[in-house]
Amino acid sequence: AQTVTQSQPEMSVQEAETVTLSCTYDTSESDYYLFWYKQPPSRQMILVIRQEAYKQQNATENRFSVNFQKAAKSFSLKISDSQLGDAAMYFCAYLAGGTSYGKLTFGQGTILTVHP
Amino acid sequence: SAVISQKPSRDICQRGTSLTIQCQVDSQVTMMFWYRQQPGQSLTLIATANQGSEATYESGFVIDKFPISRPNLTFSTLTVSNMSPEDSSIYLCSVGSGANYGYTFGSGTRLTVV
Repeated sequence: AQTVTQSQPEMSVQEAETVTLSCTYDTSESDYYLFWYKQPPSRQMILVIRQEAYKQQNATENRFSVNFQKAAKSFSLKISDSQLGDAAMYFCAYLAGGTSYGKLTFGQGTILTVHP
Repeated sequence: SAVISQKPSRDICQRGTSLTIQCQVDSQVTMMFWYRQQPGQSLTLIATANQGSEATYESGFVIDKFPISRPNLTFSTLTVSNMSPEDSSIYLCSVGSGANYGYTFGSGTRLTVV
């Protein structure tokens, strides 16, 4: 079974600085998708960024980018120019390919605190 | 991507009672997912609900405790039955918009059992 591990229970960053959240996963599949979700205190799960395993190019979305290392099974999220609104719980998630509507497997989450 | 309306947003319930959570989607979707998020924890999948068939439950979750209905392609309910304080969690529904778009979540139901 696939597993997703986030080894940083909590991280903090100063406003305007850069922070990187770590995620590793274990799978025997070659085709899959990876996601980062943000969950602020409102509880709403918000998709931050997604990566297809077959794409070597790292995904970027404005201030958010990933470092996808397929051989190492690593998928870290970099947040640049951190803002107070970035404070939230961040979850890394895995979806097996070929099952576009299959279930997501989530990591344990990382609480990000942004200091003004 | 789909928009989900989840109700209620929160509730405080007496032990031994049941609560039904509703999710309404603004478009037709094949599969809906129900998650539980215990305080400070990650999301755990309870079951997958397909329209017109029995829900598929994950290990550790049973239909008698978490009955699910899926009467059409835009609506589903999850009932938490015979509640105990251990059921106090956030419950979220989710739909897949396809891997290309990620998955959309409802706003969650914060359940407290006293």
